[in-house]
Amino acid sequence: DQQVKQNSPSLSVQEGRISILNCDYTNSMFDYFLWYKKYPAEGPTFLISISSIKDKNEDGRFTVFLNKSAKHLSLHIVPSQPGDSAVYFCAASAFGNQFYFGTGTSLTVIP
Amino acid sequence: NAGVTQTPKFRVLKTGQSMTLLCAQDMNHEYMYWYRQDPGMGLRLIHYSVGEGTTAKGEVPDGYNVSRLKKQNFLLGLESAAPSQTSVYFCASSYSRHKPDLNTEAFFGQGTRLTVV
Repeated sequence: DQQVKQNSPSLSVQEGRISILNCDYTNSMFDYFLWYKKYPAEGPTFLISISSIKDKNEDGRFTVFLNKSAKHLSLHIVPSQPGDSAVYFCAASAFGNQFYFGTGTSLTVIP
Repeated sequence: NAGVTQTPKFRVLKTGQSMTLLCAQDMNHEYMYWYRQDPGMGLRLIHYSVGEGTTAKGEVPDGYNVSRLKKQNFLLGLESAAPSQTSVYFCASSYSRHKPDLNTEAFFGQGTRLTVV
């Protein structure tokens, strides 16, 4: 059973606008959450993370929000750029280091 | 910095053949992982290791074996390949979560595209 879910397989956004990618999880033991970006024919690369003791973490144009009561996290990209077009995976870990990944959301930023 | 290196990058196998995928990391990470990526399924954990000489099953371990004889290497073996094992395989490594002062995100290799015919 999928413990980390990304219900939107794809998202299209105009350049300069905000991209919001969503992720839900079921395991209340998860205490560390990450977002990865993946280009075709490459391995996933780490983007941003958040610990369960926080509800927001910012890094430049990228902000991750965590709502523990709803078991939901989101990634905001502002402003979106064409180079942001990629597949985004959210991942979660309990204190044991296995990383569970979602199914990914393919983001297309339209120039 | 090489990071995480996977060998080979591409391979075609016949059903029933065996092969070993090699992963090497030069970041002195304790933890190493093997994932497979399939369309619509995301990244699923096959096996992982929390240190030299240790291995553990992930979400989809059947049909695979692993070994971690050296800290920097993690091998994934297919004893008798099946078409259902056609996939892209990713190796990753990370520091232990027991070291809170270090970033503990996983670093990934470039992937191995395996086709079983």
